[in-house]
Amino acid sequence: DTGVSQNPRHKITKRGQNVTFRCDPISEHNRLYWYRQTLGQGPEFLTYFQNEAQLEKSRLLSDRFSAERPKGSFSTLEIQRTEQGDSAMYLCASNPPGWRRTEAFFGQGTRLTVV
Amino acid sequence: AQRVTQPEKLLSVFKGAPVELKCNYSYSGSPELFWYVQYSRQRLQLLLRHISRESIKGFTADLNKGETSFHLKKPFAQEEDSAMYYCALSGYNFNKFYFGSGTKLNVKP
Repeated sequence: DTGVSQNPRHKITKRGQNVTFRCDPISEHNRLYWYRQTLGQGPEFLTYFQNEAQLEKSRLLSDRFSAERPKGSFSTLEIQRTEQGDSAMYLCASNPPGWRRTEAFFGQGTRLTVV
Repeated sequence: AQRVTQPEKLLSVFKGAPVELKCNYSYSGSPELFWYVQYSRQRLQLLLRHISRESIKGFTADLNKGETSFHLKKPFAQEEDSAMYYCALSGYNFNKFYFGSGTKLNVKP
């Protein structure tokens, strides 16, 4: 599968623990996005990168959340001191430069459950 | 503020019937509109975008700026169309997408 890859697919953690998710975008894609999706809702934008630069962060992204894309390839999303309200599907997406950037390619997501 | 509204959580139709999934939006600039689809146990994927004025799998969508709508239509639904459909909006530089809450389409045999 040469699409966007996310790991792990599922994560169960205790409240207060830290978790980290990884996203590997499609290789030539310079933009990478993180979205969060809760039950019954569409994906909500969290942040995006163009190459290694984090260009925008949503107000949804509290201080407990941090995202990196150190070499402009894979990205990590870390949540510190998890809370039950963080339980959601975390989606990563990427798109290529140029005219083809109109389409975002999504990964299968990481489902986080905070108990 | 940017917002995408899909008023129907669930839409059930019989095979062969016409389908219309509603999408309304609010956006301060000139938006780009999309429909994304998620089939069971698959990832979210692009169905169509208004900028291309395309028809994919028999689906079409027309951007109506006066009514701020981008409804998805298909004249004859097929069982394989059963899925979650999300309307999405982006600005001119496509730096992020705003999604509606989705409509589950169920096509009955």
